[in-house]
Amino acid sequence: SQQGEEDPQALSIQEGENATMNCSYKTSINNLQWYRQNSGRGLVHLILIRSNEREKHSGRLRVTLDTSKKSSSLLITASRAADTASYFCATADGSSNTGKLIFGQGTTLQVKP
Amino acid sequence: ETGVTQTPRHLVMGMTNKKSLKCEQHLGHNAMYWYKQSAKKPLELMFVYNFKEQTENNSVPSRFSPECPNSSHLFLHLHTLQPEDSALYLCASSQEPMVAGVTDTQYFGPGTRLTVL
Repeated sequence: SQQGEEDPQALSIQEGENATMNCSYKTSINNLQWYRQNSGRGLVHLILIRSNEREKHSGRLRVTLDTSKKSSSLLITASRAADTASYFCATADGSSNTGKLIFGQGTTLQVKP
Repeated sequence: ETGVTQTPRHLVMGMTNKKSLKCEQHLGHNAMYWYKQSAKKPLELMFVYNFKEQTENNSVPSRFSPECPNSSHLFLHLHTLQPEDSALYLCASSQEPMVAGVTDTQYFGPGTRLTVL
């Protein structure tokens, strides 16, 4: 399957530290998206990176994409307690035109004040 | 608030009950989605609708019956569910499924926490 797999599954850091989460996938994609989910709530879109892009920034977020390794990373700099949440990568099949996204298992991030 | 609302937020039902989940988006989007999120499993796409037409059914059992009367509303009708169907059901919408050849950003509702007894 094209399922994205995040690594690590859980991450605990102190406020102010940086958090890095990785995502690997298996087939060709047209873009990769990162979403955030607070406990038991809906997902919130963070950032989208296209398959022809290598790096993208949005505020304290930095996403990289390496299509040769079929992997992406999400870096959150200067973390805050409010960043505590689960983070998911979602890949869009390059051959699909239905808008189908395949989500990974997610990384649970805890930021301690 | 993302502009996508879901009701009810919590639902407990027996295996012989019939219930419906409702999703409404106030974003003027044309595509709507149902996802299932179970404990310990990745978020699973169930159905995709584009301009009220179903474009994706991800091998979902027939005890789940979606309905999309217009681009703003999406329902999931439930009947004779199993305890393993207990999960968080999330609705999402996007302007289009694809924009310029790229899968569009999806906006999620808060979900309905379903428990099947």
